[in-house]
Amino acid sequence: DAGVIQSPRHEVTEMGQEVTLRCKPISGHNSLFWYRQTMMRGLELLIYFNNNVPIDDSGMPEDRFSAKMPNASFSTLKIQPSEPRDSAVYFCASRFSGALYEQFFGPGTRLTVL
Amino acid sequence: DQQVKQNSPSLSVQEGRISILNCDYTNSMFDYFLWYKKYPAEGPTFLISISSIKDKNEDGRFTVFLNKSAKHLSLHIVPSQPGDSAVYFCAAIHDSGTYKYIFGTGTRLKVLA
Repeated sequence: DAGVIQSPRHEVTEMGQEVTLRCKPISGHNSLFWYRQTMMRGLELLIYFNNNVPIDDSGMPEDRFSAKMPNASFSTLKIQPSEPRDSAVYFCASRFSGALYEQFFGPGTRLTVL
Repeated sequence: DQQVKQNSPSLSVQEGRISILNCDYTNSMFDYFLWYKKYPAEGPTFLISISSIKDKNEDGRFTVFLNKSAKHLSLHIVPSQPGDSAVYFCAAIHDSGTYKYIFGTGTRLKVLA
């Protein structure tokens, strides 16, 4: 079991550019979560999906952020246009509905917007 | 409005001694709490959890205590080992059928050899 896979691990881009972060959840898991980690706010939930359907996107900071889950094995988080304040580590996590509450996190994508 | 607070950003403990990490929450509707451990350049990993109907849960060297009246939980690590050095996050869930975690900001634990 490879765990949750995220790509890229590091992304450096310039302000105004589009950024796409990718996530492959653990096979068989039916819930997927996108988080952002910053020093000031810690880990914040951005959006989560259940059975590929977005359930709660109240944490998405602005319209510049969008997320999709076209199938059970792939999700993207897109920022367009990116701004320096978007610099953070973005984590994807997945969960199996048969488990109680435990989520399994990927290694994260460190995003730097110059 | 931070519903889950970890007021100590860092903690240093001597190897072999007890580490106590604290977490306070404001929402009395939370009914499940978890602790996650995070090493640098890795994602958080689940450590231990507790339901709001309990006041203690133990797993090896790790024990979580819950004081509902004080809206406070703590993680005890005994004995502390250098490999325990990491950032620890507490998280809370309101079991309304959603699975949203509300995380604290984390406490960085350093266990000194």
